[in-house]
Amino acid sequence: EPEVTQTPSHQVTQMGQEVILRCVPISNHLYFYWYRQILGQKVEFLVSFYNNEISEKSEIFDDQFSVERPDGSNFTLKIRSTKLEDSAMYFCASSEPGGYSSGANVLTFGAGSRLTVL
Amino acid sequence: AQSVTQLGSHVSVSEGALVLLRCNYSSSVPPYLFWYVQYPNQGLQLLLKYTSAATLVKGINGFEAEFKKSETSFHLTKPSAHMSDAAEYFCAVRLTNFGNEKLTFGTGTRLTIIP
Repeated sequence: EPEVTQTPSHQVTQMGQEVILRCVPISNHLYFYWYRQILGQKVEFLVSFYNNEISEKSEIFDDQFSVERPDGSNFTLKIRSTKLEDSAMYFCASSEPGGYSSGANVLTFGAGSRLTVL
Repeated sequence: AQSVTQLGSHVSVSEGALVLLRCNYSSSVPPYLFWYVQYPNQGLQLLLKYTSAATLVKGINGFEAEFKKSETSFHLTKPSAHMSDAAEYFCAVRLTNFGNEKLTFGTGTRLTIIP
């Protein structure tokens, strides 16, 4: 069964350092997402990406964050200067485009990248 | 705008007993609704989805959920709990208008199965 793969599974970094989390979405999917889950809290939407641009972003996704699809297969989340509060599990997801006429296409999630900021 | 509320952050049931996890939604347009499960140290796995067809939706591992518009609810049930059902369960809502694929999750319910 096709799956979304994420690397690294766990990264520890110092506050102020840049971090890049990588994702390989399912090959025929066109929508890509990043979510995060701070320990013990709910899964929060960060950003969605379609047609090589951000389609929606949350308040959390400030100027410290950026996303990129550099080579047609990878989808990356960059945190420019990490803060302690960025410590969380980051989930990548992908989906086919849905919509009312075609029904809800399901987001398939990766296993997550745990980021620990010290 | 859309949101989901999951009542009960922790639910414990005995093995073999009925599982009932509650989810209520709020949505400005007819919603799509989902239940995801997260096993320890794993990602989110889809259990089932409601997409405006049948109101009673069957998913994997014997789970099902019923969409009740009048109650704005989408509760998850399983007739007989198994030890392997111990996990965190998330209800999520998505708007049906094209181009808005974002899922909004509830706070999750941790299900514990008592032997």
